[in-house]
Amino acid sequence: AQSVTQPDIHITVSEGASLELRCNYSYGATPYLFWYVQSPGQGLQLLLKYFSGDTLVQGIKGFEAEFKRSQSSFNLRKPSVHWSDAAEYFCAVGAGADSWGKLQFGAGTQVVVTP
Amino acid sequence: GAVVSQHPSRVICKSGTSVKIECRSLDFQATTMFWYRQFPKQSLMLMATSNEGSKATYEQGVEKDKFLINHASLTLSTLTVTSAHPEDSSFYICSARDLGTYGYTFGSGTRLTVV
Repeated sequence: AQSVTQPDIHITVSEGASLELRCNYSYGATPYLFWYVQSPGQGLQLLLKYFSGDTLVQGIKGFEAEFKRSQSSFNLRKPSVHWSDAAEYFCAVGAGADSWGKLQFGAGTQVVVTP
Repeated sequence: GAVVSQHPSRVICKSGTSVKIECRSLDFQATTMFWYRQFPKQSLMLMATSNEGSKATYEQGVEKDKFLINHASLTLSTLTVTSAHPEDSSFYICSARDLGTYGYTFGSGTRLTVV
């Protein structure tokens, strides 16, 4: 069965510092991978996605992620965080018979940005 | 980009009544929509997959008679919580699969409070 693990429930980072959020997946075939961000009481906004090709994916808001098949990981990074990056971040893998039917979400990582 | 409109954003209803939540894809046709439930500080739990013109597919443990899903057109899916009880209070989010962008777009969510 497909699964997604986000090992860090909560991360605190100083404004201007770099950020890395971890995501590990378990999936038999080539996964379709996503990172979403959620602000309190809001829906999810897509940061970036990976289907194939270049394993380093650029997203919105200065985020990037790198797909590493050998490590079954899809970690999200940002070189310099802004206070507005404080939110909940979810990694997801496309599951289902057609490879991107329903999404399986990780538990999420809460990011707190300090001055 | 693809936009999904979810309405209402907040609703309070009395125990025993029914509530309908609408999810519309505004600028694309969505043959498949997904309904999620999210508890505070938790990840998204897929409730059901809604396919246009056919019956929804419910995840294990989700009562299909309680959570009625209708996907009568390519741009609209509805979730009706029937005979609502306080334990149904939650944040409900819909998502639509956009075949054009090969991605998933989420609505802004509905906060349901049953009193």
